[in-house]
Amino acid sequence: QKEVEQNSGPLSVPEGAIASLNCTYSDRGSQSFFWYRQYSGKSPELIMSIYSNGDKEDGRFTAQLNKASQYVSLLIRDSQPSDSATYLCAVIWSNFGNEKLTFGTGTRLTIIP
Amino acid sequence: DGGITQSPKYLFRKEGQNVTLSCEQNLNHDAMYWYRQDPGQGLRLIYYSQIVNDFQKGDIAEGYSVSREKKESFPLTVTSAQKNPTAFYLCASSIAPRRLRNQPQHFGDGTRLSIL
Repeated sequence: QKEVEQNSGPLSVPEGAIASLNCTYSDRGSQSFFWYRQYSGKSPELIMSIYSNGDKEDGRFTAQLNKASQYVSLLIRDSQPSDSATYLCAVIWSNFGNEKLTFGTGTRLTIIP
Repeated sequence: DGGITQSPKYLFRKEGQNVTLSCEQNLNHDAMYWYRQDPGQGLRLIYYSQIVNDFQKGDIAEGYSVSREKKESFPLTVTSAQKNPTAFYLCASSIAPRRLRNQPQHFGDGTRLSIL
């Protein structure tokens, strides 16, 4: 069973600080990684995708991927109260030509004004 | 606007009843998916379809059924065999199913199912 692990939190971060969310995955062959944000009672919204080792920046968000260590992280700079949500890590892995997206259980982030 | 439409937003099921959740997309995506989310948990895959008239079981298919007669539509039936159906159901779609690499899934707004 391929797994994606996240710390469930809650993670509390003061407004304006950097929030750091981590995710580890078990399938060494995974190639595509995504971060989704989910507000309470709403559906997940894609915020970042990353496919190569290193950092990818988009506004206040930075995704970091380290395939050798099998982890992917999301940094949120200048955290705002509107960033309070559950963040889901998702990983694509292949099984005999079938590719499947597996989600972690999510990390609940609270930004404290 | 292009997107994924799920209906109804809220649904109640009586004992022994089958209910059907609707999912329609106008994104011209080949692949469609159904997930179940329980409180405080991640998404678990119920069924997925990569092409019309074909679908595969996900991790928790027991008690559910699907059909894919049209590219745009992928309805999910929660049967009476599903003894614990209360959950948030999410439909998603994506392009290039056989090259899912690099292709994220986009979600509808979800249907919340409860038992009466």
